[in-house]
Amino acid sequence: ETGVTQSPTHLIKTRGQQVTLRCSSQSGHNTVSWYQQALGQGPQFIFQYYREEENGRGNFPPRFSGLQFPNYSSELNVNALELDDSALYLCAGWGPSGSKNEQFFGPGTRLTVL
Amino acid sequence: AQSVSQHNHHVILSEAASLELGCNYSYGGTVNLFWYVQYPGQHLQLLLKYFSGDPLVKGIKGFEAEFIKSKFSFNLRKPSVQWSDTAEYFCAVNAHLYDKIIFGKGTRLHILP
Repeated sequence: ETGVTQSPTHLIKTRGQQVTLRCSSQSGHNTVSWYQQALGQGPQFIFQYYREEENGRGNFPPRFSGLQFPNYSSELNVNALELDDSALYLCAGWGPSGSKNEQFFGPGTRLTVL
Repeated sequence: AQSVSQHNHHVILSEAASLELGCNYSYGGTVNLFWYVQYPGQHLQLLLKYFSGDPLVKGIKGFEAEFIKSKFSFNLRKPSVQWSDTAEYFCAVNAHLYDKIIFGKGTRLHILP
């Protein structure tokens, strides 16, 4: 178990709609990252939040936005969905592991855009 | 910009064969290196990581990887694979703690029983 959960597990939307994906991280994970994993590809970094502020962003358009809440939960919002947004969306929280911190990944939300 | 290249997209081996998956990264400074595994229907799991120190890193399930700085490589090895090792393997890198992780495109490993 990684201490990171995501909801929903699967989601189907149509082009042009908006979607909100949720992530819950255990206490101590004050940094959360979101990744998009398209079929047959490795995860690609979308953005990262630290103490409720965005502190890093990958090559994704502004219609991808996020929030982080004080209770270590976070959201990924995607507006104006496009067919290419169909992917597995992963959330990861940073937490202690031995003498170092590492990212712990959630199971992901599989989004299908029709 | 950082990038990660995995040489093999799809590898098929028989049980008990030895495994080596290639990974090269592009980055000029100090890096942290990772191998993640994604079993069918499961979430990403960390196999092993290198932050500093001994360049030969041992991970879970009998996997190991060797960091060769001069070659910008971090190849994953296992002396004898099992059917349960069937999964997708991702090499990854980041520049420092809490930095975004850059993943390779993955290698799909299929072990024949």
